[in-house]
Amino acid sequence: QKEVEQNSGPLSVPEGAIASLNCTYSDRGSQSFFWYRQYSGKSPELIMSIYSNGDKEDGRFTAQLNKASQYVSLLIRDSQPSDSATYLCAASYYGNNRLAFGKGNQVVVIP
Amino acid sequence: EPEVTQTPSHQVTQMGQEVILRCVPISNHLYFYWYRQILGQKVEFLVSFYNNEISEKSEIFDDQFSVERPDGSNFTLKIRSTKLEDSAMYFCASSGDSNTGELFFGEGSRLTVL
Repeated sequence: QKEVEQNSGPLSVPEGAIASLNCTYSDRGSQSFFWYRQYSGKSPELIMSIYSNGDKEDGRFTAQLNKASQYVSLLIRDSQPSDSATYLCAASYYGNNRLAFGKGNQVVVIP
Repeated sequence: EPEVTQTPSHQVTQMGQEVILRCVPISNHLYFYWYRQILGQKVEFLVSFYNNEISEKSEIFDDQFSVERPDGSNFTLKIRSTKLEDSAMYFCASSGDSNTGELFFGEGSRLTVL
């Protein structure tokens, strides 16, 4: 059974700084990993996907995957107030959109 | 921009009543899902649906739950006899691909069971 853990509490960062989020997963069979953003009271929205070890950059976002250590991270560079949201880490088996979500990390960007 | 739409946005019901939550997935998508999120908890997978049948379901999706695609556009989740613990936000999602994990979520239907 896939378990995805996000254990750190709310993260407050000043505008323009880097926000760093981490996630671990328990099932070594997981092959696909995702970061979703969820604004308060809204639905999750995919911002990054990563399938291979290493880094993947998309604009101000960088996802990092380390399958040996079973962790996934997300860096948000030049944080903006609009980045204030809860970030959900998710994992799945390849070829299967049954996502296992973590509980999320709340990010607050302070202007 | 295409989007997944859900109705109702909020439904209040008495315990034991039947509830139907409706979703219109993105029109060219083939894979449909229901997830739920109890307040303050993780988003949880309920069921996936493809080619007019359930492809996978979680242990949460017991006999009181059912899904169908009655008319080729709507995708519904029925809860036959609601319980207090069914109170949650129910998200419908669709995808054009079974592999990418790129799910497009609707805005959710908040179900409150009294």
